[in-house]
Amino acid sequence: DTGVSQDPRHKITKRGQNVTFRCDPISEHNRLYWYRQTLGQGPEFLTYFQNEAQLEKSRLLSDRFSAERPKGSFSTLEIQRTEQGDSAMYLCASSPTGADEQFFGPGTRLTVL
Amino acid sequence: SQQGEEDPQALSIQEGENATMNCSYKTSINNLQWYRQNSGRGLVHLILIRSNEREKHSGRLRVTLDTSKKSSSLLITASRAADTASYFCATDHFNKFYFGSGTKLNVKP
Repeated sequence: DTGVSQDPRHKITKRGQNVTFRCDPISEHNRLYWYRQTLGQGPEFLTYFQNEAQLEKSRLLSDRFSAERPKGSFSTLEIQRTEQGDSAMYLCASSPTGADEQFFGPGTRLTVL
Repeated sequence: SQQGEEDPQALSIQEGENATMNCSYKTSINNLQWYRQNSGRGLVHLILIRSNEREKHSGRLRVTLDTSKKSSSLLITASRAADTASYFCATDHFNKFYFGSGTKLNVKP
């Protein structure tokens, strides 16, 4: 399968713990996006990368959130000191360029107890 | 907010009928895309329309874009039970994508 993959698919953690999610985009896709989706809502843009460069961050991305894309391949999203309000589905998407459709991964569902 | 807003929030139709959902947005865009999300599953891209296009077709899908009114519509013809899903529009504003809260479509067999 050459689609976008995300790991883990589910994560349950206690408030205050750090969590890290991984996204493997479709090979040779330059753009990589992170979104957060809560129940009944559409995805909210968090950040995106053009190759290894992080070009934009949403105001939703507090200083507890950090994302990286070393070498322009896979990406990680880390949340430090998790809060119950961080519980959501975290989606990753990739596209060849910014002007094309995005291919979404299955998401990582985070539950903060 | 720069998000697109879909209308209606929910739509229930019989199999074979057409379904129309609308999207309004607030800022200038490069393109507008429609996505489908089945319950508990990932988003799937349906169709993309660029800001200089007015109408586009793909199979049973027809999308229109009116940049003067900042609105778009998605028409699904001859709906099937398998079309039951949430549908989102996403606007591309300088490489940031904004999704609305979606239209939940239920197609009854």
